[in-house]
Amino acid sequence: QKEVEQNSGPLSVPEGAIASLNCTYSDRGSQSFFWYRQYSGKSPELIMFIYSNGDKEDGRFTAQLNKASQYVSLLIRDSQPSDSATYLCAVVPLMNRDDKIIFGKGTRLHILP
Amino acid sequence: DGGITQSPKYLFRKEGQNVTLSCEQNLNHDAMYWYRQDPGQGLRLIYYSQIVNDFQKGDIAEGYSVSREKKESFPLTVTSAQKNPTAFYLCASSSKGLAGRNEQFFGPGTRLTVL
Repeated sequence: QKEVEQNSGPLSVPEGAIASLNCTYSDRGSQSFFWYRQYSGKSPELIMFIYSNGDKEDGRFTAQLNKASQYVSLLIRDSQPSDSATYLCAVVPLMNRDDKIIFGKGTRLHILP
Repeated sequence: DGGITQSPKYLFRKEGQNVTLSCEQNLNHDAMYWYRQDPGQGLRLIYYSQIVNDFQKGDIAEGYSVSREKKESFPLTVTSAQKNPTAFYLCASSSKGLAGRNEQFFGPGTRLTVL
């Protein structure tokens, strides 16, 4: 059973600090990795994707991928109260003939004003 | 204005009734998905379809049915056989791009409550 694990939180971070969200996955051959943000009562919104080892930056967000250690992380710099949400990590397994994505259960992030 | 629409936003069902949730996309995506999300829980896959007139069961298909007669549409019926249907239902779609690079985009969701 392919799994994606996240700490459920809540993770509390002071406004202006760096929030660090982590995700581990079980399928060593996984090839694509996504971060979704979900506000309470709303649907998930794709905010980052990463396919290669290393860092990918987009504005205040940085995704980090380490395939050898099977983890992917999301850093949010200069955290704002509007960043308070649940962040879902999603992984595409190696043998993905049916276009499925495996989602983690999410980490709740709370930015303290 | 491309996107995924779901209707209704809120739906109330009496026990023993079948209800159908609508999902439409104009992104020209081949694949469509239905997920269920319960409070504080992750997404659980109900059904998915990679092409018109074909669909497969996900992890929790019992008590649900779908059809895919058109590329743009993937309605979900919650039948009376579904024992605990109260949940937030999410429809998603993705294109068949480079292998594995098929990020999913979500509709706004339908919140179903059984009275």
